[in-house]
Amino acid sequence: ETGVTQTPRHLVMGMTNKKSLKCEQHLGHNAMYWYKQSAKKPLELMFVYNFKEQTENNSVPSRFSPECPNSSHLFLHLHTLQPEDSALYLCASSQGEGGTDTQYFGPGTRLTVL
Amino acid sequence: DQQVKQNSPSLSVQEGRISILNCDYTNSMFDYFLWYKKYPAEGPTFLISISSIKDKNEDGRFTVFLNKSAKHLSLHIVPSQPGDSAVYFCAAGGNYGQNFVFGPGTRLSVLP
Repeated sequence: ETGVTQTPRHLVMGMTNKKSLKCEQHLGHNAMYWYKQSAKKPLELMFVYNFKEQTENNSVPSRFSPECPNSSHLFLHLHTLQPEDSALYLCASSQGEGGTDTQYFGPGTRLTVL
Repeated sequence: DQQVKQNSPSLSVQEGRISILNCDYTNSMFDYFLWYKKYPAEGPTFLISISSIKDKNEDGRFTVFLNKSAKHLSLHIVPSQPGDSAVYFCAAGGNYGQNFVFGPGTRLSVLP
């Protein structure tokens, strides 16, 4: 596998379910990101991790809980979501060693909350 | 209020002609800019970047122009090919590097 991979690619869940999104990067990067893209809206940055430490949380509701066990893996744990959380969730990674930093994206997980 | 704007939601261009995609930003602290292309069911793919110390950066058929005084950048694709049909996003960031703000995207259709 190369680049940034995400699983699952599609997920349908009820509001009372608990599920997790997984992201893995094979680029040797040290920074990883979660973005949300809702219909007809720009990408919204949710979380940033540098060297496994969370460095950015853009006022994301606590029903979204990120986890970064190492520099190659990033999870987004979901619980008691709302229908308005339905969106495309994109993971990205970058070198993360300071300075401006091009981000490389995975294919995304299309989430539908019923 | 959107900090990064792409005022044309869509653009159609004939194959072989030039495609010009525009992006405007409001925050004068932004000094690094990226363009991404996105096909349906795929994540955005990095295309080209430019920092504020330059006013032009070229990579093959893709050229990005930056006008700092106007807070405007544009992506030129010459010649346009049908495979260029996608949604194009511009993104802007400051020198801390990671908190990029994305525009809403422009859907480019290149007609054969």
